[in-house]
Amino acid sequence: DTAVSQTPKYLVTQMGNDKSIKCEQNLGHDTMYWYKQDSKKFLKIMFSYNNKELIINETVPNRFSPKSPDKAHLNLHINSLELGDSAVYFCASSHHSTPEAFFGQGTRLTVV
Amino acid sequence: AQRVTQPEKLLSVFKGAPVELKCNYSYSGSPELFWYVQYSRQRLQLLLRHISRESIKGFTADLNKGETSFHLKKPFAQEEDSAMYYCALGGTSGSRLTFGEGTQLTVNP
Repeated sequence: DTAVSQTPKYLVTQMGNDKSIKCEQNLGHDTMYWYKQDSKKFLKIMFSYNNKELIINETVPNRFSPKSPDKAHLNLHINSLELGDSAVYFCASSHHSTPEAFFGQGTRLTVV
Repeated sequence: AQRVTQPEKLLSVFKGAPVELKCNYSYSGSPELFWYVQYSRQRLQLLLRHISRESIKGFTADLNKGETSFHLKKPFAQEEDSAMYYCALGGTSGSRLTFGEGTQLTVNP
């Protein structure tokens, strides 16, 4: 299956913990993104990487650190989790010539 | 700056009725507009792109540069159309999508 896949699908953790979400795409795209969907369903971009280089870093706490080992992977590491980090995190990818993005299935993060 | 406005957060219609989800955008360059759909607890899926001028699942959307709008329309809504719909704007090649706040469409039987 050609797709954007992210793991885990659900993540429940306590405040203060550190967690990672992984994302992989096999679409041959060179640009990957992390979006956050909050409880009101607003979608906000967090990061964008093009060929492993950080292109966009919106106003996101530095507890969030993306890592792109290669252009098919973009992982998101979150330190010292807070209650307000609870959300659905979507990974996406696109080809550099178009903004049209393909999305992963989302990771529902719940911080308790 | 890129901006997308979807004025209706919630929209409820009866099955068989026409539906229009509004989208307005602000962008100084040449825009690329998209509609994405998110069914309950699923991933976002591309529904339409303005450059294709296609009809998917009975939905159409026309880019009106004069009114800076890209409204999504369907003449006869179906219950399975109930979902969250996002209008999205992309700029010149390589720029990322900016999403509107979304419209939750409910089609009642």
